[in-house]
Amino acid sequence: KQEVTQIPAALSVPEGENLVLNCSFTDSAIYNLQWFRQDPGKGLTSLLLIQSSQREQTSGRLNASLDKSSGRSTLYIAASQPGDSATYLCAANSGYSTLTFGKGTMLLVSP
Amino acid sequence: DAGVTQSPTHLIKTRGQQVTLRCSPKSGHDTVSWYQQALGQGPQFIFQYYEEEERQRGNFPDRFSGHQFPNYSSELNVNALLLGDSALYLCASSLWESIYGYTFGSGTRLTVV
Repeated sequence: KQEVTQIPAALSVPEGENLVLNCSFTDSAIYNLQWFRQDPGKGLTSLLLIQSSQREQTSGRLNASLDKSSGRSTLYIAASQPGDSATYLCAANSGYSTLTFGKGTMLLVSP
Repeated sequence: DAGVTQSPTHLIKTRGQQVTLRCSPKSGHDTVSWYQQALGQGPQFIFQYYEEEERQRGNFPDRFSGHQFPNYSSELNVNALLLGDSALYLCASSLWESIYGYTFGSGTRLTVV
């Protein structure tokens, strides 16, 4: 059974800092891994999708990496802004067309 | 291009009642999955529908049931509501067995009192 863990659970940084969010998964036999953003009480917005054959994906100030052998993914946010404040969730797709989510990292970027 | 649409956005029900939530998938998608997200937790998989059949099911009781219509839209039904069913219910659409990920709706906030 796939289990996904996200560290840290919460993070508070001043504006402008670069930061790294961590995601680990127990079953390395994944098809892909997806990072989402969730604003309070809202749905999920997809940020980046990394296929199992890829090592990283980039979108603007966001960069996600994947190391299947070690069961880890990281989301790097460059030059953080107050608008980046949200909960970030990673989800592993282990096949059978279902996603297993971590509990998320709650990020607060202060001006 | 419309994304995933869920209705209603908020709902308050009394313990023991029944509720129906609705989802319209993103244009071009044929598979709908439902997730339950309790406060402070990650979403938990309920079930998935493709070709109007339930294809996968998570660890949820039979009180949770669903349906998919020929236009790919879907309903989630919950019977005999419990206080613990209070959560954000998320619908996700995708292409069957696609590697291109999932698109989520904004969710329905269900409060059971």
